[in-house]
Amino acid sequence: DGGITQSPKYLFRKEGQNVTLSCEQNLNHDAMYWYRQDPGQGLRLIYYSQIVNDFQKGDIAEGYSVSREKKESFPLTVTSAQKNPTAFYLCASSRQVNTEAFFGQGTRLTVV
Amino acid sequence: GENVEQHPSTLSVQEGDSAVIKCTYSDSASNYFPWYKQELGKRPQLIIDIRSNVGEKKDQRIAVTLNKTAKHFSLHITETQPEDSAVYFCAASLYSGYSTLTFGKGTMLLVSP
Repeated sequence: DGGITQSPKYLFRKEGQNVTLSCEQNLNHDAMYWYRQDPGQGLRLIYYSQIVNDFQKGDIAEGYSVSREKKESFPLTVTSAQKNPTAFYLCASSRQVNTEAFFGQGTRLTVV
Repeated sequence: GENVEQHPSTLSVQEGDSAVIKCTYSDSASNYFPWYKQELGKRPQLIIDIRSNVGEKKDQRIAVTLNKTAKHFSLHITETQPEDSAVYFCAASLYSGYSTLTFGKGTMLLVSP
């Protein structure tokens, strides 16, 4: 279903803990992205990567970290430094930057 | 950087009516403008896109128009159906380098039977 998989679908975290969201794609896409979606805020870019071992900060990178060790994987870590982490997180991939982006099903993170 | 404004934030229409969603962008160098549809609880999916060398593009009941001089583009849905109910996002970007998509805040479209 779309070739891009996020896990888990729902995630609960205690304050002060880091948590890692998984994103895997089998579309052989070079570019991958992480977005945060809040009600009424649209999709805001956290980090993106055009090639393996390279990634760039987006508009709201503070409190997040990523890695791109493999072409098919782009995990996102939400650190304790992120002041308001409760949100819906969407991963996406595209053949290259600024072509059609395919989204995963999303992970809803709740800090308790 | 790029800034995309989208209006209206909510839109209610009767089945069979037309719906129009408008977006403006700030960077005159932007040249790629996709539209995504997100149904409740589902992932966003591309429904149509347009590049700056084209003024209008149609796909069945959906059309997008682009006015580069005024820096705005619009989504037109004709003969709306209840299954068109969703949140629609516009986006803009440069088709080069490290540029990425900047999204509008979304329009919730409700089509009533």
